[in-house]
Amino acid sequence: NAGVTQTPKFQVLKTGQSMTLQCAQDMNHEYMSWYRQDPGMGLRLIHYSVGAGITDQGEVPNGYNVSRSTTEDFPLRLLSAAPSQTSVYFCASSSTGLTTDTQYFGPGTRLTVL
Amino acid sequence: AQSVAQPEDQVKVAEGNPLTVKCTYSVSGNPYLFWYVQYPNRGLQFLLKYITGDNLVKGSYGFEAEFNKSQTSFHLKKPSALVSDSALYFCAVRSFGNEKLTFGTGTRLTIIP
Repeated sequence: NAGVTQTPKFQVLKTGQSMTLQCAQDMNHEYMSWYRQDPGMGLRLIHYSVGAGITDQGEVPNGYNVSRSTTEDFPLRLLSAAPSQTSVYFCASSSTGLTTDTQYFGPGTRLTVL
Repeated sequence: AQSVAQPEDQVKVAEGNPLTVKCTYSVSGNPYLFWYVQYPNRGLQFLLKYITGDNLVKGSYGFEAEFNKSQTSFHLKKPSALVSDSALYFCAVRSFGNEKLTFGTGTRLTIIP
């Protein structure tokens, strides 16, 4: 199993550009989520999904869009990039949405917005 | 609302000494507590979790954590530190029925040879 994969590893955007961060998992997990990691702030939840066709907002959803058309994929879209979105983005998955479950994280995407 | 506090940004310990990384939490209802570790340029990896039962939880790489309900704490411990334990450690909490996991700000652990 590849686990959770993310592409690209690095990306530089100009303000106003749009892009999609890809996330895929091959563990048949129902629950997937996106976090951003900023120095001194830990990980903050952007959006999450409890199954195909179902998404919900996390702590910091503004400026981001998600969809979940399949169990495997959970792309994160930046609609109009801003310097404040410079961060490291992590995708995670778990087998259920129950509070007891362990999350598996991808390797991350480092995004810089100029 | 749920929250996690990791009061130390950085902890330094000599190799072979015991280590403690502190975590306190705030939730409504029963907490479900987790520790994750992040090595440089990598994603987070699960270390251990407390759901219910024995307050002392054992996890990967010789780590353990003690759930203390009265002090609302879940400190991570290891009896004898290794240089390879040097990494960024995150505490996280969920409450029952809440799909969202809240992370602390992280503690950078440095083990000095």
